[in-house]
Amino acid sequence: DSGVTQTPKHLITATGQRVTLRCSPRSGDLSVYWYQQSLDQGLQFLIQYYNGEERAKGNILERFSAQQFPDLHSELNLSSLELGDSALYFCASSATTDTQYFGPGTRLTVL
Amino acid sequence: DQQVKQNSPSLSVQEGRISILNCDYTNSMFDYFLWYKKYPAEGPTFLISISSIKDKNEDGRFTVFLNKSAKHLSLHIVPSQPGDSAVYFCAASSQDNFNKFYFGSGTKLNVKP
Repeated sequence: DSGVTQTPKHLITATGQRVTLRCSPRSGDLSVYWYQQSLDQGLQFLIQYYNGEERAKGNILERFSAQQFPDLHSELNLSSLELGDSALYFCASSATTDTQYFGPGTRLTVL
Repeated sequence: DQQVKQNSPSLSVQEGRISILNCDYTNSMFDYFLWYKKYPAEGPTFLISISSIKDKNEDGRFTVFLNKSAKHLSLHIVPSQPGDSAVYFCAASSQDNFNKFYFGSGTKLNVKP
């Protein structure tokens, strides 16, 4: 158990809809990272927050947004969903720099 | 632009033998590298890391080798065990910018009993 929690575990929705994925980092970790893993693909970095502020952006679509709240949990919002958005979405947290600890992921299926 | 590449999508090894997983990177600014292991239905878990000031780091059965001139790193597992069967991801970053980690596409290791 990494100490990072993600909800929900599974999400099935339709094209055009909007969903919110939630992540609670390990106790004390200020950084939260979001990644997308599509079928047979590696982990694609989406975005990072540090103590409530956006710190780095990767290949995140404009239809996607994220935020980190004062209690340090984070939400990833995906809107106008397309079939290609079906993927595993992972959240990771870290205390300062090097090692990231990953949550179990949310599997999103867009029908 | 794939800055970290794992060119072998899968690897099959007999129990007790050595497993060698390879990873190549293109960005010469990367100076910190990690390996993660991922079981089905779980998130990746940290396995071992190496800084560019070293060329080898060992932790039990796991050793990571770094060849900076070739921009290549490898993970050796000796001896391999069936429980090692998982997907292994390598990742890279630069120590002055830990905000971004770049991951390879993973290698699925199957250790046969």
